[in-house]
Amino acid sequence: SQQGEEDPQALSIQEGENATMNCSYKTSINNLQWYRQNSGRGLVHLILIRSNEREKHSGRLRVTLDTSKKSSSLLITASRAADTASYFCATDGGGSGNTGKLIFGQGTTLQVKP
Amino acid sequence: GAGVSQSPSNKVTEKGKDVELRCDPISGHTALYWYRQSLGQGLEFLIYFQGNSAPDKSGLPSDRFSAERTGGSVSTLTIQRTQQEDSAVYLCASSLMGINQPQHFGDGTRLSIL
Repeated sequence: SQQGEEDPQALSIQEGENATMNCSYKTSINNLQWYRQNSGRGLVHLILIRSNEREKHSGRLRVTLDTSKKSSSLLITASRAADTASYFCATDGGGSGNTGKLIFGQGTTLQVKP
Repeated sequence: GAGVSQSPSNKVTEKGKDVELRCDPISGHTALYWYRQSLGQGLEFLIYFQGNSAPDKSGLPSDRFSAERTGGSVSTLTIQRTQQEDSAVYLCASSLMGINQPQHFGDGTRLSIL
């Protein structure tokens, strides 16, 4: 069953604005990952944050993790039309014996208008 | 290098027929995952292979679904006696071994059951 909940479900912004997406999860984790999916394509890995990390940056992406609240956020700064896609958070369910299978949220659909 | 390759990209078949979906993982990736993406259920884990270990089949929805991975590389997902609710995009991913590894996805097979 899906354990990640994301909000908003849909987000529409102008080019140059920042976009923030939030994710909540239910169980313990070893890591939380964010993926992007363009229409008709597979998922592209964006960033992985481990359970002992609080913030991570990659280019225009900033991810935060609050394990006490079981939540994460993805910030895309200075958005571009090419950022238009669906964004998913995923967790691994925690545990040392975990296989690494991912549990995905429902995703946020981001539209960046030129 | 080459990414994860899936074939066919699209498959239309009649209810009751069997289908085989193929996945070629990234060379050197020992872990291979199958997921299903549908409008109603989002992204769901199906099965996981890791080296010579017994696969984690906990996500397979029924005994009509099976998968194998030959020689630790190519994997085939087989759906027998297809039903309309099997219509979805089937995504394959591979990764290096370990719980904090990003997964690399193929573009999926879009399966439509008439």
